[in-house]
Amino acid sequence: EAGVAQSPRYKIIEKRQSVAFWCNPISGHATLYWYQQILGQGPKLLIQFQNNGVVDDSQLPKDRFSAERLKGVDSTLKIQPAKLEDSAVYLCASSYWGHAYPANYGYTFGSGTRLTVV
Amino acid sequence: DAKTTQPPSMDCAEGRAANLPCNHSTISGNEYVYWYRQIHSQGPQYIIHGLKNNETNEMASLIITEDRKSSTLILPHATLRDTAVYYCIVRPRDFISNFGNEKLTFGTGTRLTIIP
Repeated sequence: EAGVAQSPRYKIIEKRQSVAFWCNPISGHATLYWYQQILGQGPKLLIQFQNNGVVDDSQLPKDRFSAERLKGVDSTLKIQPAKLEDSAVYLCASSYWGHAYPANYGYTFGSGTRLTVV
Repeated sequence: DAKTTQPPSMDCAEGRAANLPCNHSTISGNEYVYWYRQIHSQGPQYIIHGLKNNETNEMASLIITEDRKSSTLILPHATLRDTAVYYCIVRPRDFISNFGNEKLTFGTGTRLTIIP
């Protein structure tokens, strides 16, 4: 099966500019996650969607970050305006969910978008 | 906050078994132990998970102590391609009553280097 697709792969912007990342999850995966990974750290969840609804955005800096998943499939994450500390890899992941959700289903991650803010 | 403790780095000779420890002394009865790894410039990859019994798949084995307070991931014959950061994560078991709480909380993991 096709994996989680993300684009672009790399992005360099100046501080105060805007940037958007795109994610297409595995077909049939209702749950979609955006993680931020700063160099040397583990990924940190920014936002979780269930279909097109937000389940958890408690760690999303809402003054500058926004995300949407309008049709319950692909998703975009936007930063406006960017700060130097936003330099990181932004990872998208998806997972299956349902009443028969087997506990052994793990997430599938994309390869991420590496953002450099200068 | 991550609920696990791992050594920051380890080395292992190619062809030998790599044993990666993880401490999760505060694990509760409804939490699984998951292992992921992240190879350079890639997203994390699922390896294995377990509740209380030892588990084995084509990638690795997972040994969980009887009290469930620690576990060991074993890569039986390490290759250079196993060089990666390995994350040990505890995750709630009941996905029905914990709907919306399926996030993975990553620590800083163990950087495993396989030496030729």
